[in-house]
Amino acid sequence: GNSVTQMEGPVTLSEEAFLTINCTYTATGYPSLFWYVQYPGEGLQLLLKATKADDKGSNKGFEATYRKETTSFHLEKGSVQVSDSAVYFCALSEMNRDDKIIFGKGTRLHILP
Amino acid sequence: NAGVMQNPRHLVRRRGQEARLRCSPMKGHSHVYWYRQLPEEGLKFMVYLQKENIIDESGMPKERFSAEFPKEGPSILRIQQVVRGDSAAYFCASSPGTRRETQYFGPGTRLLVL
Repeated sequence: GNSVTQMEGPVTLSEEAFLTINCTYTATGYPSLFWYVQYPGEGLQLLLKATKADDKGSNKGFEATYRKETTSFHLEKGSVQVSDSAVYFCALSEMNRDDKIIFGKGTRLHILP
Repeated sequence: NAGVMQNPRHLVRRRGQEARLRCSPMKGHSHVYWYRQLPEEGLKFMVYLQKENIIDESGMPKERFSAEFPKEGPSILRIQQVVRGDSAAYFCASSPGTRRETQYFGPGTRLLVL
């Protein structure tokens, strides 16, 4: 079945460091890919999405490129801030079925001032 | 425009009691989804509802769990005779109306079963 695997955390970085959180997926066809962020005590917020191969999703300085050949959707940010501390979830939805989103286990990110 | 609202935010129940979790979707949204997040896990899909209809309940446990989204009022996730393993965060999401629209998540209800 479809699944998402992302790097385990916690990830601890200093402010202004470069961030990469790896995410790979298994799916049939062409799923849509997402990154969600969960700040402490809050629900998930959609950070960015990509719906087809080679699409790049971007938001708030974060980027991820839909790589069909490597089945990956790694999240990157050039210079992280303390306010980026949160849990990040990689996710996918099956082609034409955005009603059922499949999530990875999440990666907790700590940014030190 | 208020976001997705869930209440209560925290719920404590003893084994054998019932838990009722409520979700009010965003204004104008007619599709509701429930997910469960176990500690240190990602969210797992439970059920997808439209007004008065269950569209997909493939993620719901076969017993003790039920969900509804009536014509008026919030969506309800009901857990009967709770057990310790039901302790989790339960998130509701809503979307406007078509399957390809983005889902917007509520803050979640954290259920603790003693």
